[in-house]
Amino acid sequence: AQSVTQLDSQVPVFEEAPVELRCNYSSSVSVYLFWYVQYPNQGLQLLLKYLSGSTLVESINGFEAEFNKSQTSFHLRKPSVHISDTAEYFCAVSEVDSNYQLIWGAGTKLIIKP
Amino acid sequence: DAGVTQSPTHLIKTRGQHVTLRCSPISGHKSVSWYQQVLGQGPQFIFQYYEKEERGRGNFPDRFSARQFPNYSSELNVNALLLGDSALYLCASSWGGGGSYNEQFFGPGTRLTVL
Repeated sequence: AQSVTQLDSQVPVFEEAPVELRCNYSSSVSVYLFWYVQYPNQGLQLLLKYLSGSTLVESINGFEAEFNKSQTSFHLRKPSVHISDTAEYFCAVSEVDSNYQLIWGAGTKLIIKP
Repeated sequence: DAGVTQSPTHLIKTRGQHVTLRCSPISGHKSVSWYQQVLGQGPQFIFQYYEKEERGRGNFPDRFSARQFPNYSSELNVNALLLGDSALYLCASSWGGGGSYNEQFFGPGTRLTVL
């Protein structure tokens, strides 16, 4: 069965330090991969996505994620975080040729320490 | 253009009651999906509708139902409410149709509390 695992429920990190949020998935077919961000008291926003092609994808605000098929992972990284990055980050997967249903991880809260 | 809108923003009900949640998609979007997000967990897929037809259903009991109207807005209905139905209900819209993935745009959600 398809599932998404985000091992870290919270990740505290100092401002301007690098961060990695981990995401692993299980699926027997090809998948599309997504990271969504949910800022406090706001809705979910798409941060970045992997559909095909280059395995390294980037967002406009400095985040990047790399699709690793052999390890079934799609970890999210940022070289230097800011207070404004404080949010909850969700990894999601959709099987190719499915009805575009998203399967979600439990989320990781990114806590930026000043 | 307005984003996805949902109403009401907050709702308090008692066990056994019925609730209707509403969603208006982004103009031009033909697909609407519903998700349940329990506190501390990721969203769980409930339904997806495209062109007024059900396209997918998650693992939820028959107490949950939905429909999509000719203007592509949607309603989610939950009967015989249980305490465990307390959650944030999210609506997402997308262009829909076949081919490569269509990005889903999320509304702010409806916070349902069942007492």
